[in-house]
Amino acid sequence: QSVLTQPPSVSGAPGQRVTISCTGSSSNIGAGFDVHWYQQLPGTAPKLLIHGNSNRPSGVPDRFSGSKSGTSVSLAITGLQADDEADYYCQSFDSSLSYVFGTGTKVTVL
Amino acid sequence: EVQLVESGGGLVQPGGSLRLSCAASGFTFSTSAMSWVRQAPGKGLEWVSGISSSGDYSYYADSVKGRFTISRDNSKDTLYLQMNSLRADDTAVYYCAKSTGWPYYFDYWGQGTLVTVSS
Repeated sequence: QSVLTQPPSVSGAPGQRVTISCTGSSSNIGAGFDVHWYQQLPGTAPKLLIHGNSNRPSGVPDRFSGSKSGTSVSLAITGLQADDEADYYCQSFDSSLSYVFGTGTKVTVL
Repeated sequence: EVQLVESGGGLVQPGGSLRLSCAASGFTFSTSAMSWVRQAPGKGLEWVSGISSSGDYSYYADSVKGRFTISRDNSKDTLYLQMNSLRADDTAVYYCAKSTGWPYYFDYWGQGTLVTVSS
């Protein structure tokens, strides 16, 4: 039931930079609603990573950054580390009065 | 420290009912909106329902509208999800999440409780 599309997987070597895109439509991201990002480590609950498109909660390393330009949204991880291996989800609000998540992206550190 | 502890999950037959609870601590529950988000085995996240801080307003995903009811008891710092007419596709881990901003984002999550709908 996801209406935000993400690539199924991305990978990179330690120290590299990876980006994850999140594509929505005119009823959610294109309507101007904020995008938020969550990290889900294996076997654990999701954790808020980025809120309001580009804001990091306290305790989240500045290696994680979010951006939104028009309908283009992405999460970047720089200086990739082994413990960044996780699933990442974007989330926004839809004009149908529903909260929507992305399809999820598995990040693999090579 | 914010803590959200879900309980009430388990195995239930199709058509059955279950009530989930989420005990909150470490923040002012009565001034915080709350939500339920679920994750089917091996699948992504799906928002299920949300409720305002006072409990006056509630919101539901189309997939559960008319079958699930969210509620809260601010005197007990507890969130609930009453699930009726359960179906196999309701099988999932159900997370309680503190909701912030408007529209919401989910700044703290519980560890989840597994609901399995099967005969």
